[in-house]
Formats: sequence, structure tokens, C-alpha cells
Amino acid sequence: GAVVSQHPSRVICKSGTSVKIECRSLDFQATTMFWYRQFPKQSLMLMATSNEGSKATYEQGVEKDKFLINHASLTLSTLTVTSAHPEDSSFYICSAGPPGLAGGSYNEQFFGPGTRLTVL
Amino acid sequence: RKEVEQDPGPFNVPEGATVAFNCTYSNSASQSFFWYRQDCRKEPKLLMSVYSSGNEDGRFTAQLNRASQYISLLIRDSKLSDSATYLCVVNVYGQNFVFGPGTRLSVLP
Repeated sequence: GAVVSQHPSRVICKSGTSVKIECRSLDFQATTMFWYRQFPKQSLMLMATSNEGSKATYEQGVEKDKFLINHASLTLSTLTVTSAHPEDSSFYICSAGPPGLAGGSYNEQFFGPGTRLTVL
Repeated sequence: RKEVEQDPGPFNVPEGATVAFNCTYSNSASQSFFWYRQDCRKEPKLLMSVYSSGNEDGRFTAQLNRASQYISLLIRDSKLSDSATYLCVVNVYGQNFVFGPGTRLSVLP
């Protein structure tokens, strides 16, 4: 299957700092990527849809000025958590999946390995 | 009502047992259906897509009932390595994927 990478895999930062997370599709181009957040023992919650060359679409309740998304190329989307606070500590996962990928299921999404953010 | 609902679990079963998970979805326009598996502190990984005719992959069988908006996953001869959280995922083409809350399975020796 297709490969999606994320960097960093783990980050610990002080409250008030900004953290950038990268999501890359390594062997396919992705016009759309999705960013999710997962708190312990809860399911993935979609935060936003990242669209190459245009503004991201945020889900209700997600602050677009706090979670900045940039999808500058067909293989890279970045999520920046600005002025991070302890309540932002979570597991952040991106996914991508072009339709019609050879060998892949219809509309299948491939997930990055996730980034575990801890804000002190 | 949540868009995707699953058995709350957890399911604790002995090795070799057969276990079935259920999932219901509310959006009748949903077109794609998947079962993902998520191990603790890891990203979800596709277990199998779910087709209208039902499909089987080794010990795993998935079924879809569009009329009832219901999806199931059956695991036969369960292994210790099957212990994970199983996520039901539903998608309307061109829109985002909606994840169910997951059902946790523990296979006991």
C-alpha cells in the first residue's frame, strides 16, 4: 500500500510554544489530506481537511487560528499548533489517499504513524 | 445520534473463539465502508474494505447491509495478535471519513 510519513513522531514542548507537524505522502500525490486528533481511549476526531493550493476546511469547534494548516505541495501538509497548552496534548494523525490508487481499495485512506504531542 | 456507532466492548475472548462486531451508520448516502485496526498508541491500519456482496479475507469476514445501514466484522479462530481496537469507518465519496468510536478486543491465552 501507499506510504504516509509524519514528523516528528513525538514532541514535548513548553506551554506557549508552537509546534509544527509534517505529513508527507511518499509514493503518491495527495490533493487532499486529513488531520485527526485522538485523545486517550477515544476515537479519531477529524480536525480539518487540508487542500493543496487552497485553504483548509476546519471542522466545527476547531480553531483555525490555533491549528494552522499549510498544504503547499501535492506531497506535504503541515499542521502548526500555535501557542500550545496542556489541553492540546494529544495524538495527531494525518491521512491521505488518492482515489484509484493501483492496488489500493477504492477511496482507501493511508495513515501516517502519528505524532504524540505533550505540552508541559 | 452519532454518525457511526459500534458495540462499546471491550470483548474479552479466549484464543480460538469466534467474535463478531457490529456497526451502524446514519448517513444513507455513505458509499465506502472499511474496518480499520488500531493497536495501542499506533495509527489505524486498514484491515479490510467492506463490499455490498460481503467479503472474506482469511479468518476475517465483513458484511454490509445497506437497507439496515449496518456493517459487521466476524473474526474466526481468534489469535492473541488480534487484540486491538477495531474501527468502523464510513465515507461519502468526496467527503471526509467518519470513524466509529471503536470496539476493543482482547484475546486471552
